[in-house]
Amino acid sequence: KNEVEQSPQNLTAQEGEFITINCSYSVGISALHWLQQHPGGGIVSLFMLSSGKKKHGRLIATINIQEKHSSLHITASHPRDSAVYICAVDYGGATNKLIFGTGTLLAVQP
Amino acid sequence: DVKVTQSSRYLVKRTGEKVFLECVQDMDHENMFWYRQDPGLGLRLIYFSYDVKMKEKGDIPEGYSVSREKKERFSLILESASTNQTSMYLCASSSGRGPYEQYFGPGTRLTVT
Repeated sequence: KNEVEQSPQNLTAQEGEFITINCSYSVGISALHWLQQHPGGGIVSLFMLSSGKKKHGRLIATINIQEKHSSLHITASHPRDSAVYICAVDYGGATNKLIFGTGTLLAVQP
Repeated sequence: DVKVTQSSRYLVKRTGEKVFLECVQDMDHENMFWYRQDPGLGLRLIYFSYDVKMKEKGDIPEGYSVSREKKERFSLILESASTNQTSMYLCASSSGRGPYEQYFGPGTRLTVT
């Protein structure tokens, strides 16, 4: 069983819709990462957060440490947001190892 | 900008061949990682290195070895490739002692026939 659970696994949205992707984890962490992977492309880091909320353009990431849960929101979605979104957690320690969720495949239709 | 490069985007090898995958980063990062990515399983850590000549096993090291002779370069070696090693291989690097962002290379899609 993966220690990092993402939902939904697949998501189809219409352009302009507000999108939420969820991530839950099992024990305390030092940081949580949201990553983006376009088809055939490499992985890009979107956010790293350990508390509260971060915003970058139309993307917002929140984390609730007590509930061990994080959400990635996309406002005013666009077809270019179509990608796999991956949640990963850092359980601490000196070596920056990450445990990854299996990803959410998002398709935004025009 | 941090740049992580991998030696090949696509590679086709035969069963039993020795395979070398190379990764180079240009930001003087201490930590380097090799992952494989398979549908439905996500990214899984094969090996990582936190300093030159230092390495630690990840979650799935069987059938793989690594080498880090210089800080900027981390090699993944498949001693005798098998079909179940057909996968996407991703290298990443990060700075210092975490938590820090990891920067990923473009990936190598390896097919073993």
